[in-house]
Amino acid sequence: EAGVVQSPRYKIIEKKQPVAFWCNPISGHNTLYWYLQNLGQGPELLIRYENEEAVDDSQLPKDRFSAERLKGVDSTLKIQPAELGDSAVYLCASSLDSAGGLDTQYFGPGTRLTVL
Amino acid sequence: DAKTTQPPSMDCAEGRAANLPCNHSTISGNEYVYWYRQIHSQGPQYIIHGLKNNETNEMASLIITEDRKSSTLILPHATLRDTAVYYCIVRATQGAQKLVFGQGTRLTINP
Repeated sequence: EAGVVQSPRYKIIEKKQPVAFWCNPISGHNTLYWYLQNLGQGPELLIRYENEEAVDDSQLPKDRFSAERLKGVDSTLKIQPAELGDSAVYLCASSLDSAGGLDTQYFGPGTRLTVL
Repeated sequence: DAKTTQPPSMDCAEGRAANLPCNHSTISGNEYVYWYRQIHSQGPQYIIHGLKNNETNEMASLIITEDRKSSTLILPHATLRDTAVYYCIVRATQGAQKLVFGQGTRLTINP
């Protein structure tokens, strides 16, 4: 069974440029998460989707970050415009169905963003 | 979710058992203990979780104290590929669905 797929794996851009990250969750997983991981720190949740609905986006900086999960499968996270402080690893995770409570999350390899 | 405390780093010899401690003294009755690890340049990998009883799977064993205020993750025969950052996370069964990661323990397996 394929795991969570993310692309690109690495991205280097100049500040003020836009950037987008793509995630394909494990087949059949209804819940999708985007996490941000700064160097030397643990991941922090940005947004959680239940199917196509964003149910927790309280940590998403909405002035420059946006996300979508059309049709409740793949998801895209966008930053526009990128700032130097956005350099980090962006992780996508999925779980079968968190609505029922406890649910194991499975992570993709992440996209490492470098903003110059 | 309850906060966890882990040592920042540990070393273990290859082939020996690696015992990683975690303190979660403020854990409440409906909170599980989860363990993830993150190998360099990879995403976090689920290892094991438990509520009260000790748990074992193909990767590791989880020992939870009777008062549930601490736990130990055991890798029975550590290999070089077990070198990673190990995160102990306490998570409620309902409500908050996010995983709250701390600093974790950087485990180095030495040949």
